[in-house]
Order: sequence, then structure tokens, then C-alpha cells
Amino acid sequence: QKEVEQDPGPLSVPEGAIVSLNCTYSNSAFQYFMWYRQYSRKGPELLMYTYSSGNKEDGRFTAQVDKSSKYISLFIRDSQPSDSATYLCASPNQGGKLIFGQGTELSVKP
Amino acid sequence: GAVVSQHPSRVICKSGTSVKIECRSLDFQATTMFWYRQFPKQSLMLMATSNEGSKATYEQGVEKDKFLINHASLTLSTLTVTSAHPEDSSFYICSARGFAQGRVNTEAFFGQGTRLTVV
Repeated sequence: QKEVEQDPGPLSVPEGAIVSLNCTYSNSAFQYFMWYRQYSRKGPELLMYTYSSGNKEDGRFTAQVDKSSKYISLFIRDSQPSDSATYLCASPNQGGKLIFGQGTELSVKP
Repeated sequence: GAVVSQHPSRVICKSGTSVKIECRSLDFQATTMFWYRQFPKQSLMLMATSNEGSKATYEQGVEKDKFLINHASLTLSTLTVTSAHPEDSSFYICSARGFAQGRVNTEAFFGQGTRLTVV
């Protein structure tokens, strides 16, 4: 079992839709959770960063962590074509290495 | 966010030659740098971790003599692909983690990536 699991998609939504991206993890020691956005042929860009359980909001983006179920989510409100990218969830293990999910490819159609 | 600059963004080289990729942290001190390889439609595969001033730690299956990593300063790490072959063609990405005012050291910032094509 991978330490971080993520549905690779692809996920296609119409412009303006609410997008829900999800990951599960198996290591209960994980404390920090990140969401990265990666455009084609570019390096990942850090979008959101959360610690432990709870919600964090930044503009149209909301990151949610539920440690009891080992479930992390990223919600995108009023999705735009410019949000089309691959979204990667990640968490650093105790050795400091980032453990990535497989990435979900999102396409927002105008 | 912090800025990590990776250069070059694209390189084409002949089989058998060596290629050097640079990764610089522009506005913070990178105590740790990571090098990843990414195949199309796949997630990032960690190749090695380097701490400033010490030898890199390579992941299982990664040839340390083929992928030479140097992290001589707190702002620069280099990856050299030696005796490159077509199967080394891939997207290589660095990331850096360190300390800067207001930032937690578990954040990692990525370079723009380097697309290597070996012909």
C-alpha cells in the first residue's frame, strides 16, 4: 500500500464548478500536508499547507484534513480554465522526505 | 512563496556526454535539496536528498555514479547526468527546503524543472 493514495483522474468539470480533490494516507505520524499544483512541463507550485486536522482557506481554495480518517481534501470554488493542471497532495515523513500522491489531472472546460 | 531557480529548462545532448543541471534558492538558505525525476503522467520520483556540505543520500535503485549531486553552498545544488543515454531522457526537478523569516522548514519549494533529451 502506498503511503499516500490519490485518484489520478483525469477529472473534467465545467467552468464555475466546485472541484473536490482527495487523498488518503496510511501513516498516522504524518502531521503536515501540502497541496501542489503542477502545470504541464513545469515544476510543482505550493498551493496550500496545513498542519494537523482542520480547514484552511485561501481565496478560492480550501484545504481540509481529517486525521481520524486519514483523509485530505482540496476544494476549488468557482473553478477557472486556468486551474487546469495536475494537483499533487504530499506529506513529509519523519525523515523529512515528501511523500507524494500520484497526482490528479484536472481539466476545467470553458 | 520562496523562489527556487532551476537551469536550464530544456537541454538536448548527445549520447555519452554529461549534462549539468543547477538548482538555486534565491531568497532563502536551502539546508536540504531534493532531486526528482518525473515521467509523463506520473508523480515525482525522488532520486536523492542532499544536505549542504555533505554527501547526497540516494534512493534505492538510483546510480550515484551516474547522477552526481553536489550541494556545496546553502543556495546551490547541481545534478550532473554522466554518460547520458536515451533512457535518461526525462523531466528532472529540484526542490529546496530551508529557513527564511516566517517560513516553516518543512515547506519545500520546487524549481521549474529541466527537460532532458538524450539523442
